[in-house]
Amino acid sequence: KAGVTQTPRYLIKTRGQQVTLSCSPISGHRSVSWYQQTPGQGLQFLFEYFSETQRNKGNFPGRFSGRQFSNSRSEMNVSTLELGDSALYLCASSSSSFGAANTGELFFGEGSRLTVL
Amino acid sequence: GQQVMQIPQYQHVQEGEDFTTYCNSSTTLSNIQWYKQRPGGHPVFLIQLVKSGEVKKQKRLTFQFGEAKKNSSLHITATQTTDVGTYFCAGPWGLTGGGNKLTFGTGTQLKVEL
Repeated sequence: KAGVTQTPRYLIKTRGQQVTLSCSPISGHRSVSWYQQTPGQGLQFLFEYFSETQRNKGNFPGRFSGRQFSNSRSEMNVSTLELGDSALYLCASSSSSFGAANTGELFFGEGSRLTVL
Repeated sequence: GQQVMQIPQYQHVQEGEDFTTYCNSSTTLSNIQWYKQRPGGHPVFLIQLVKSGEVKKQKRLTFQFGEAKKNSSLHITATQTTDVGTYFCAGPWGLTGGGNKLTFGTGTQLKVEL
């Protein structure tokens, strides 16, 4: 079974630009979560999607957005990039079912490393 | 966002020594998970604990969930260089409804010297 695939793996942008990151979950997983990892703030939850609906959201500004497609693939977008957005963006998929309160095991992708200059 | 403290933040050990990291919460949790991230890698799931006082073992790793379900620990016996990495606890702090919203602890970075 293929793992979680994230593209691109590395990218460099300048302040003010926008970026779109892509994530293909493990086949059959309908829950996709996004995390931002930085040395200073650690792993921070961005949002979670399930069956094309945003189910949970973290405390990030509106410049951070995401969506999920009918095939469970997900994208996240960051607009008007700031230097502080430089980070490793991790996508994770889970077999968690809709409405389940018990969080399931997360399978992470390799991440997309974004550098903002 | 909410941060969950893990202690210690860093730990350097000699190969063969034991290692323990602690994760403390002010609120009761339904479950807690542990992940390991190797340098340059991504977090990899190790285990999930659900029951009060639960103890689970994976070879040299022992995981414990506190009786009050507010704290957890990971103990590694006789560390090896392959244990190098950052260990994170993760739990549904701040989750008010259904779904997957895991909050990760600050992590403990383990370095093992020969």
